Amino acid sequence: NAGVTQTPKFQVLKTGQSMTLQCAQDMNHNSMYWYRQDPGMGLRLIYYSASEGTTDKGEVPNGYNVSRLNKREFSLRLESAAPSQTSVYFCASSERRRVAGETQYFGPGTRLLVL
Amino acid sequence: QKEVEQDPGPLSVPEGAIVSLNCTYSNSAFQYFMWYRQYSRKGPELLMYTYSSGNKEDGRFTAQVDKSSKYISLFIRDSQPSDSATYLCATSVAGSSGSARQLTFGSGTQLTVLP
Repeated sequence: NAGVTQTPKFQVLKTGQSMTLQCAQDMNHNSMYWYRQDPGMGLRLIYYSASEGTTDKGEVPNGYNVSRLNKREFSLRLESAAPSQTSVYFCASSERRRVAGETQYFGPGTRLLVL
Repeated sequence: QKEVEQDPGPLSVPEGAIVSLNCTYSNSAFQYFMWYRQYSRKGPELLMYTYSSGNKEDGRFTAQVDKSSKYISLFIRDSQPSDSATYLCATSVAGSSGSARQLTFGSGTQLTVLP
């Protein structure tokens, strides 16, 4: 049981290049999320997917696209990378519950540097 | 103004000290309150969560929420060097059953417990 896995772990891009960050979870969770973490800013939600087949914008969606490929996988794409997208990207997943409390499980992160 | 404010620290304490970590928030609709712990170069992991006001204790950790003053606290008793990490508070509103719950994070407090 690997939990949430992300690839790659580290990537360097030049301005204008594109790339896709991959995320997979093996916990049979319905909801998946993409966050970015910057110094002094905490975690900010980019996009999320409440269930397979649906995606919604979070707080900072500009410059990103997502695909919920199936229940396990949720990818984040940068079409034309900019230096402002230099960050650490975390994928998370959570289970659907009827009562209060929802644990989001995070992956190990992808460190992206855009030159 | 951010919806969730957290003193970034850094905070350095001797082993065995009682640690108090705090956040304030502005949105009265927040109902769920969480503390995540993040070790260096790792993804955040859920430490504790509470619903509405009150205290919750788990071993050496106590989470406290005061909705009247919009104040969230995490207390760590008998702190250990292994507690050295960044602690992030997070909040969310009450969502409909089964919906993805968006979390709003504080920027994190970096804690070092010195042996």
